[in-house]
Amino acid sequence: GDSVTQMEGPVTLSEEAFLTINCTYTATGYPSLFWYVQYPGEGLQLLLKATKADDKGSNKGFEATYRKETTSFHLEKGSVQVSDSAVYFCALMTNTGNQFYFGTGTSLTVIP
Amino acid sequence: DGGITQSPKYLFRKEGQNVTLSCEQNLNHDAMYWYRQDPGQGLRLIYYSQIVNDFQKGDIAEGYSVSREKKESFPLTVTSAQKNPTAFYLCASSSSGSWYNEQFFGPGTRLTVL
Repeated sequence: GDSVTQMEGPVTLSEEAFLTINCTYTATGYPSLFWYVQYPGEGLQLLLKATKADDKGSNKGFEATYRKETTSFHLEKGSVQVSDSAVYFCALMTNTGNQFYFGTGTSLTVIP
Repeated sequence: DGGITQSPKYLFRKEGQNVTLSCEQNLNHDAMYWYRQDPGQGLRLIYYSQIVNDFQKGDIAEGYSVSREKKESFPLTVTSAQKNPTAFYLCASSSSGSWYNEQFFGPGTRLTVL
């Protein structure tokens, strides 16, 4: 069945370091892919999305490219800030439009 | 502003009591979802509804019940049959039938069983 696998955390980085959080997926057809961010005690917020192969989603300095050949959607940021500390979830929506699958989340802590 | 509201933010329940969590959206979305999140873990789907008066069980529906009498509202009842109900509960909605549309989330309700 469809699923999402993302790298386990927690991840701890120094401010201004480069961030990569890996995400791979298994799906039939052509799903849409998403990254969500969750700050402590809050709901999830959409960070970025991509709806077809080779699309790049970007927001707030974060980027992810939909790679169909490697079934991946890795999240990257060139220079993280303390305010980026949160839990990041990779997710996919099947192309039937009625099932959403989330990864287990990756906790990021950025230290000054 | 359009969005999803959940109430209350914190909820305490004694063992053996049923409790209902509220979820309301004014985004005109057809689909609504309930997830459970345990500390350090991902989201698990409890129930979802694609249309008014219809809903389906998710992965962990046992001990929970829902209703969808109005498009805007999707309350979740945690019954006494739920063995370990202490968790963070998240409600979400989306435009159904559009595979490129994301889910929008509410701020969550933290339920603690005393």
